[in-house]
Amino acid sequence: EAAVTQSPRNKVAVTGGKVTLSCNQTNNHNNMYWYRQDTGHGLRLIHYSYGAGSTEKGDIPDGYKASRPSQENFSLILELATPSQTSVYFCASGGGPYNNQAPLFGEGTRLSVL
Amino acid sequence: GDSVTQTEGPVTLSEGTSLTVNCSYETKQYPTLFWYVQYPGEGPQLLFKVPKANEKGSSRGFEATYNKEATSFHLQKASVQESDSAVYYCALSDNNNRIFFGDGTQLVVKP
Repeated sequence: EAAVTQSPRNKVAVTGGKVTLSCNQTNNHNNMYWYRQDTGHGLRLIHYSYGAGSTEKGDIPDGYKASRPSQENFSLILELATPSQTSVYFCASGGGPYNNQAPLFGEGTRLSVL
Repeated sequence: GDSVTQTEGPVTLSEGTSLTVNCSYETKQYPTLFWYVQYPGEGPQLLFKVPKANEKGSSRGFEATYNKEATSFHLQKASVQESDSAVYYCALSDNNNRIFFGDGTQLVVKP
């Protein structure tokens, strides 16, 4: 069964600390995405990837880095976390590059930066 | 750049009444359009997608037509149920497979 697994599901971090959010997919999808979800803003694209070794900037990349070491794994890295990055983060995977397969989402990671 | 604008929520309806959630998009490309639904504590899940202009998508009684001329993709359902209460997202995929979402519309259905 197709799946996207995020870890951790909940995280509390301190301002200035480093945070790594992990995502694993077993769907053999080429594309992977990181979004954040905030009230009033819907889902905003942070970074995405077309395959292993590839990372691309989305609409709101500032303060975030991404890493795609393999087809299955895509990480979101906050080098210096700030309270404004408190949010719910969703990872998704989708087919591509030409079949526009609808992204499949994980369950989300709730991050609080104190 | 690409963008999606949809009905601002919350939308509150009584069971058995009809639903329309408006969605308009802007893009210079030839997008695939999606509707997603999100229940509390879960990630968004695909309701349906429509890859081609002037075609209709549907699932679970919901439907939407990809209107290229009007750049619209409105979600409709003839008779809502309490279990339809959720947040609905309109989204588009551009030619580079970037996926853009609207701000979401919360639907509350009262028994």
